[in-house]
Amino acid sequence: GDSVTQTEGPVTVSESESLIINCTYSATSIAYPNLFWYVRYPGEGLQLLLKVITAGQKGSSRGFEATYNKETTSFHLQKASVQESDSAVYYCALGATNTGKLTFGDGTVLTVKP
Amino acid sequence: AQTIHQWPVAEIKAVGSPLSLGCTIKGKSSPNLYWYWQATGGTLQQLFYSITVGQVESVVQLNLSASRPKDDQFILSTEKLLLSHSGFYLCAWSRDRGQDTQYFGPGTRLLVL
Repeated sequence: GDSVTQTEGPVTVSESESLIINCTYSATSIAYPNLFWYVRYPGEGLQLLLKVITAGQKGSSRGFEATYNKETTSFHLQKASVQESDSAVYYCALGATNTGKLTFGDGTVLTVKP
Repeated sequence: AQTIHQWPVAEIKAVGSPLSLGCTIKGKSSPNLYWYWQATGGTLQQLFYSITVGQVESVVQLNLSASRPKDDQFILSTEKLLLSHSGFYLCAWSRDRGQDTQYFGPGTRLLVL
């Protein structure tokens, strides 16, 4: 079946350091999957961070970026300089265009130290 | 603006007791609706989806059922809870099932004892 594997947390980085959270996917039942990063900040609900629906394209939001790489089946999340407010749980997800089913990774807990 | 509300916020229930969780979406007509579940320390899994009133598709079998009695309402229920039902339940909506973003509610935390 379809699956998503992401960096196992928790991940701790210092403010202003760079960050990469790895995400690789297996889309056995989806020919053209959509890829998402969702985030849950402390005390808040799950919300979309960024999405990319076309292979080879890059999505960006709040200083984060991720490129949909079909060759390596990856969608790594990167940020050049993190802030304490980026502390959250990050989820990579694979979306099926025909059913709307989202397959999530296990989530990565990120803590940014001041 | 669209809003999504889930109730209750949290529940503690006994094994074998019934359960009903609700979700309401305001500000969007004919949304696609979804139920997700996350066991403690586990992965978020889609349980059900619905594209219209009275129609629900099951994605994962967990001895739960779902219904859509109104355009803006989605109900998750069971007559007999199991310990394994504990976890976090999220409702979500989207404009269509294709490439569209899913927007999540605040969730309901369930503990079955």
